[in-house]
Amino acid sequence: EVQLVESGGGLVQPGGSLRLSCAASGFTFSSYEMNWVRQAPGKGLEWVSYISSSGSTIYYADSVKGRFTISRDNAKNSLYLQMNSLRAEDTAVYYCARDSNMDVWGKGTTVTVSS
Amino acid sequence: SSELTQDPAVSVALGQTVRITCQGDSLRSYYASWYQQKPGQAPVLVIYGKNNRPSGIPDRFSGSSSGNTASLTITGAQAEDEADYYCNSRDSSGNHLYVFGTGTKVTVL
Repeated sequence: EVQLVESGGGLVQPGGSLRLSCAASGFTFSSYEMNWVRQAPGKGLEWVSYISSSGSTIYYADSVKGRFTISRDNAKNSLYLQMNSLRAEDTAVYYCARDSNMDVWGKGTTVTVSS
Repeated sequence: SSELTQDPAVSVALGQTVRITCQGDSLRSYYASWYQQKPGQAPVLVIYGKNNRPSGIPDRFSGSSSGNTASLTITGAQAEDEADYYCNSRDSSGNHLYVFGTGTKVTVL
């Protein structure tokens, strides 16, 4: 079964850091581009970041550029999002999604930034 | 970044047809993908490319595009189609890679 499972969310104070992980299974992870997408409470979907299959090409939304870092370990079938200098407006459910069509999504992990 | 605009809410009688639209400059250059999201669940891809359905998506879902507008049509809406729907495309402005629409809440009466 094709599956993505996010982890690493939690409660963090403003200015703090978190590292999210996305474990992939059921497909050849190293062949696929990957994305992070977030959804603030009661709001719509927001694309956050993209990484190519090899990790050589990376993009970020302006809202997270300079604070978040996407990476992947194809040997471990895992995608990561290092989030630094967190703000209240980063509070959201964070999803990892496969490929340019975002055809497979995980269930998400919740990040709450609050003092 | 570019913007994709959707009507906030639409309603449809059970068994009838509803069209959800998505407008934005990027749609002149790129196809839209469409996602269904039910409360408390992750989004699910329902349409991608010109008019392609992933495996398992009923054929009552279809997509089309003209100019700066993409549309998702549900022909013969079912109670289980009640959900939020989001469009998505590449961002033609070059600042972002992808942009999501504002979302449409579909209510099946």
